[in-house]
Order: sequence, then structure tokens, then C-alpha cells
Amino acid sequence: QLVESGGGLVQPGGSLRLSCAASGFSFNSYWMHWVRQTPGKGLVWVSRISLDGATTNYADSVKGRFTISRDNAKKMLYLQMNSLRAEDTALYYCVRDMSVLEWSYGMDVWGQGTMVTVSS
Amino acid sequence: DIQMTQSPSYVSASVGDRVTITCRASQDISNWLAWYQQKPGKAPKFLIYSASSLQSGVPSRFSGSGSGTDFTLTISSLQPEDFATYYCQKANSFPFTFGPGTKVDIK
Repeated sequence: QLVESGGGLVQPGGSLRLSCAASGFSFNSYWMHWVRQTPGKGLVWVSRISLDGATTNYADSVKGRFTISRDNAKKMLYLQMNSLRAEDTALYYCVRDMSVLEWSYGMDVWGQGTMVTVSS
Repeated sequence: DIQMTQSPSYVSASVGDRVTITCRASQDISNWLAWYQQKPGKAPKFLIYSASSLQSGVPSRFSGSGSGTDFTLTISSLQPEDFATYYCQKANSFPFTFGPGTKVDIK
């Protein structure tokens, strides 16, 4: 199970930190992702992190502004979001990759999402 | 980056119908393709990986095929619980681009 928290209303240029609590599986054995979805629109991959946190990947739209991290001892995934823009407004999902290897086969466990609204 | 497209964007069908959704990649992605189902207000559900492998617990009326740039998701006999939006997604390496989605609605 994955449970996100930390969403809310933030002004443009502001920051927010999303958290995701994992349970029921060996968290440190899986790559993890953040995926977002604007209400009524499609899914957009945001970021991915390796088992040990040493490797991270980002979508071009968030590179340099967002930072993904994890704490395997606490079974937690994080997304630090800085310099937020109106276009970052979305429901953010914490997602488990089905693969324990670097090449992904797909995303098999999804949280329910936490909503981020960027508006003045 | 590789772009993913889907067609149609919307399909109206009846219970018992056979439904086919197409996904196309802008470059050859071999069989690195996944499919998801999303119902309103819910998180996506993982259906298929490696273009044709059914995720555990997914009904056998769902099937996937294709390789290279052209892929299909087929629902052999549409059930009431299958009315949803379906997304394809490029797997393997980042960026993990999703298709725009195909909404399957009740005729």
C-alpha cells in the first residue's frame, strides 16, 4: 500500500514537499516513481528513484525544480517541489515499479494521490 | 523523446462487444509497452506489461499484442466494470511517456 500526503495550495514560486508511506512490501527492493495527473487530463511521469536512492531521473518539465528522495529505513518516498508553477497543478501519485532492475516493465502499485494546487 | 499516441480517443460500446484500442510509438520500442485502466476518481490499475503479458489478477478477456511501434489492447467481451479510460505507456527507460488515453463509454 502507498499513501501520499503533503499536497495543498501554494503560491507560484513556492515550495511543497510530498511524502509517500509504503507498507506491505519490501520497500528497499523496488524502484519508485512519482506520476501526476491534471484533473480531467492524462497521466504524466514526473520522476523515478533507484532502490538505494543513488540514481534519479526527471521529466524535462520538472528537472532542476523537483527532487525525489527516499528513506528506506522509514519506508518513505519524497518529492521536494520548488519554484512551483501553475502548470504543476495536479494530483500526484506515488507509484511502485514492478521491476527490481533498472529497466522498467511498468508500474504495478499506485497510491490514491495527493492534490497540489499552484495559484495566487 | 519517444511520443505515444492512441486511437481512438473515445469509443462507445455495449456490454459483450469486442473492443480494440491502438497505441503507436514514434520510434521502435520493441515490446516495452504497458497498459493501464483508470476509472473516474480512482488511481490507475496495471493491466499488461511487455506488450502482451497479463498482470496477475487481470481477467483473461484483456489481451495485448504488438511490437516495434504498433500495439493493441483488446477486450474480448466488454463487461460493465470495463467502462474506463485506458492508457498505454512506454516502459524500459525514462522518460516513461504515457499515451493520451482512450475512454471506453457505454453505448
